[in-house]
Amino acid sequence: DAGVIQSPRHEVTEMGQEVTLRCKPISGHNSLFWYRQTMMRGLELLIYFNNNVPIDDSGMPEDRFSAKMPNASFSTLKIQPSEPRDSAVYFCASSFAGEASPLHFGNGTRLTVT
Amino acid sequence: AQTVTQSQPEMSVQEAETVTLSCTYDTSENNYYLFWYKQPPSRQMILVIRQEAYKQQNATENRFSVNFQKAAKSFSLKISDSQLGDTAMYFCAFRTGGSQGNLIFGKGTKLSVKP
Repeated sequence: DAGVIQSPRHEVTEMGQEVTLRCKPISGHNSLFWYRQTMMRGLELLIYFNNNVPIDDSGMPEDRFSAKMPNASFSTLKIQPSEPRDSAVYFCASSFAGEASPLHFGNGTRLTVT
Repeated sequence: AQTVTQSQPEMSVQEAETVTLSCTYDTSENNYYLFWYKQPPSRQMILVIRQEAYKQQNATENRFSVNFQKAAKSFSLKISDSQLGDTAMYFCAFRTGGSQGNLIFGKGTKLSVKP
């Protein structure tokens, strides 16, 4: 299996621009997670989906952030407009549903907003 | 609130020696799984080991083993015969029961293995 695939690997953008991060989960997994990692706050859950339905988006910082999962093999995380404080590494992860299943992570997208 | 605490921000160990990373957690759930993830400088998150909360036997994966104390809500990771490639951030995490539980992480411990 190719694992969880994220794109782009790096993104540099200017404040105010729209940013779209993409994720392809492992085939067969029915749970998908978006995490953000910063030095100050560590790994924070932004949102997760079960069977393409958002279950918990309480971690989404504000209305500038939105996430979609139109089908079982694709998800996007969009930031509009972006701000310098959004600079972080964004991870996508997928798993089977249930507490026994570990999360499999993509390689992350390093976002820099100038 | 469910939380994971890793009290050692940084640790170092000599190559070939043993090191233990500590982790405590807080949850009111009875059914959950515990995990240790490794994040090397490449930033990839790699699963190291997994422990079922209802099992008393401690999990072991080659040089990695855990000391799980359910009553104390403690879940430490022991790395034996440390290797230079073990240098990484290590995150403790748990996932609660039911089909919708997400993975809650500690802040991590930065481990340096010195030659």
